Amino acid sequence: EIVLTQSPGTLSLSPGERGTLSCRASQSVDRYLAWFQQKPGQPPRLLIYGSSSRATGIPDRFSGSGSGTDFTLTIGSLEPEDFALYYCQQYRTSPITFGQGTRLDIK
Amino acid sequence: QVRLVESGGGVVQPGGSLRLSCSASGFTLETYGMHWVRHSPGKGLEWMAYSRYDGYSQYNTDSVKGRFTISRDNSKDMLFLQMDSLRPEDTGVYYCAKDLLEFLVTLDAFDIWGHGTLVTVSS
Repeated sequence: EIVLTQSPGTLSLSPGERGTLSCRASQSVDRYLAWFQQKPGQPPRLLIYGSSSRATGIPDRFSGSGSGTDFTLTIGSLEPEDFALYYCQQYRTSPITFGQGTRLDIK
Repeated sequence: QVRLVESGGGVVQPGGSLRLSCSASGFTLETYGMHWVRHSPGKGLEWMAYSRYDGYSQYNTDSVKGRFTISRDNSKDMLFLQMDSLRPEDTGVYYCAKDLLEFLVTLDAFDIWGHGTLVTVSS
């Protein structure tokens, strides 16, 4: 099973700042890496797939990069609605696995 | 509007069974792969099972261990998860989720999720 490790566990930033979240895979997943945002009481929302492709309706302040084992989700200028939980997911190999999440808090 | 609605959760004793349902609307279920994902406080998000558009199925064998069965009824736009021999560690919110692209024979990102149904396994 491919283990995804997200860092940091919690990120405290202010609106307008740039957010950088990391996801490291225990073995290569090529570019089969997605990012999700989850808010309390809501299901995960797809932000990025294929490491860098934005899903439909996702603002361009969200960008993804990386390949192989190291990936980054960048939020260019944080809006109040961006403070949430973020998960990465690999779909290169079964079983599909998720990272443990990064909580983005308002500073 | 593409939508997934889960149902069938509840409280069940250890060793019991539940059948979860996922009603799909706004797209043609028979052309998409579909998944069940569990969210629990102890293990976070955990992929459970996959039903490919052509009927092939795949499981997270470590978590499921032959106890769960995924199925679908394309004529009714429904996805199911039959869960047997339930354990306390199966407690969590169960989501169904849809593949991003249709007619895929490989795994894919999940673009639409339902709101989930809560399963509690407790005596």
